[in-house]
Amino acid sequence: DSGVTQTPKHLITATGQRVTLRCSPRSGDLSVYWYQQSLDQGLQFLIQYYNGEERAKGNILERFSAQQFPDLHSELNLSSLELGDSALYFCASSVDQASYEQYFGPGTRLTVT
Amino acid sequence: QKEVEQDPGPLSVPEGAIVSLNCTYSNSAFQYFMWYRQYSRKGPELLMYTYSSGNKEDGRFTAQVDKSSKYISLFIRDSQPSDSATYLCAMSSGYSSASKIIFGSGTRLSIRP
Repeated sequence: DSGVTQTPKHLITATGQRVTLRCSPRSGDLSVYWYQQSLDQGLQFLIQYYNGEERAKGNILERFSAQQFPDLHSELNLSSLELGDSALYFCASSVDQASYEQYFGPGTRLTVT
Repeated sequence: QKEVEQDPGPLSVPEGAIVSLNCTYSNSAFQYFMWYRQYSRKGPELLMYTYSSGNKEDGRFTAQVDKSSKYISLFIRDSQPSDSATYLCAMSSGYSSASKIIFGSGTRLSIRP
């Protein structure tokens, strides 16, 4: 158990809908990272927050947004969902804002029908 | 061409064998090299990371980096059934951009008892 929690574990929704994924980092970790893992694209970095502020952006679509709250938990919002958004979404956390020692959560499996 | 190439496998070897997992990359700016292990239905976990070229050993695991060939390897000695997982290589060009880690697509490894 990495200490990073993600909810929900599974999510099934229809195209055009909006969903929110939630992540709680390890105790003491200030950075939160979001990743998308699909069969054809592998693990793709989406976005990073550090102590409430956006630090880096990866291949995140404009339909997606995220935030980190004062208690350091983070939410990833996915809107106008398309079939191609079906994937595993992982949250990871680290102590510092630039760290290779990232601890991953168990992921949320999103299925868009 | 992807920045990081990794043979997806699957790779099946008998228990006790030495396993060699490899990645090639195209970006000569990469300096930090990581190996993650991902069990089925779990998030990735960091196994090892190395800076620049050279070897690093941790128990049964050895990571090698050859920057001149743009080639990294992970060796597993005395492989165990519990080593059966997907192994992801990952790399980044600098500490300040650590959050933009580029992952390989992963190699599925199966250790036969």
